[in-house]
Amino acid sequence: AQSVTQLDSQVPVFEEAPVELRCNYSSSVSVYLFWYVQYPNQGLQLLLKYLSGSTLVKGINGFEAEFNKSQTSFHLRKPSVHISDTAEYFCAVSDLRSNTGKLIFGQGTTLQVKP
Amino acid sequence: DVKVTQSSRYLVKRTGEKVFLECVQDMDHENMFWYRQDPGLGLRLIYFSYDVKMKEKGDIPEGYSVSREKKERFSLILESASTNQTSMYLCASSLKGTDTQYFGPGTRLTVL
Repeated sequence: AQSVTQLDSQVPVFEEAPVELRCNYSSSVSVYLFWYVQYPNQGLQLLLKYLSGSTLVKGINGFEAEFNKSQTSFHLRKPSVHISDTAEYFCAVSDLRSNTGKLIFGQGTTLQVKP
Repeated sequence: DVKVTQSSRYLVKRTGEKVFLECVQDMDHENMFWYRQDPGLGLRLIYFSYDVKMKEKGDIPEGYSVSREKKERFSLILESASTNQTSMYLCASSLKGTDTQYFGPGTRLTVL
C-alpha cells in the first residue's frame, strides 16, 4: 500500500527566511508526486508536480521541489517566504498502476509566516 | 480555467437528517472525487467516480453514498447525518488518464 508522510504538522518562519516542508512517501511502484496549497477558507490549488524527467521541479509563487528516489522524498522549498504564503500545504502521490486518477494525501503542513 | 463549484460553503444540519452535497465541474472531466478534510488527518477519499453512473468506494465510505447521473455533477449523500460527520468536504475532478485534480472551495458541514 502507498502512503505519504509529512514530517512537520506546523512550520513557523519569519518573513523573507527560507523554508523547507518535508514529504516522504512509501510505494512499491512508480508514482507521480504533487504539492497542493490551501489558503484559508479555500479549496486546494496545485503548486507543482513531478511526473518524470528533471528531479528539480519549479512551481507557482517561487516554490520548487526535489524528487529523491533513493530517499523516497519530495521536499518543498522556497528561498524567501512572504506573509501571503501562510497556508496549509499537502503532499500527494498517485498510483501509476491503478489508472484511476486517485491521489493519496499526506496529513498536511501548516506554514505560518510571521512579520 | 477549470471551475469546480460546490452548492454550499457552510451547512448546519441536525442529527438524523438526510444531507445532499452537490458538486459541479465545467470542464467535461470523467473523474470526480469526494474527500473529507479533518485537522491532522489530511484529505481522506470517501468515493470517486470515473464515468456517469459509475462509482467506487474510497477509504472511508461508511455512512455516505454518491450519485452521478450527469457527467458534470457528482453528489454526496449522508443518509442519516451524525455528529462525527462534522467536517470540511471537498470535491475534485480530473481528466481521464491524468492525475492532476482540480478542487472546489469546500463545504463546511456542522451536524448538531
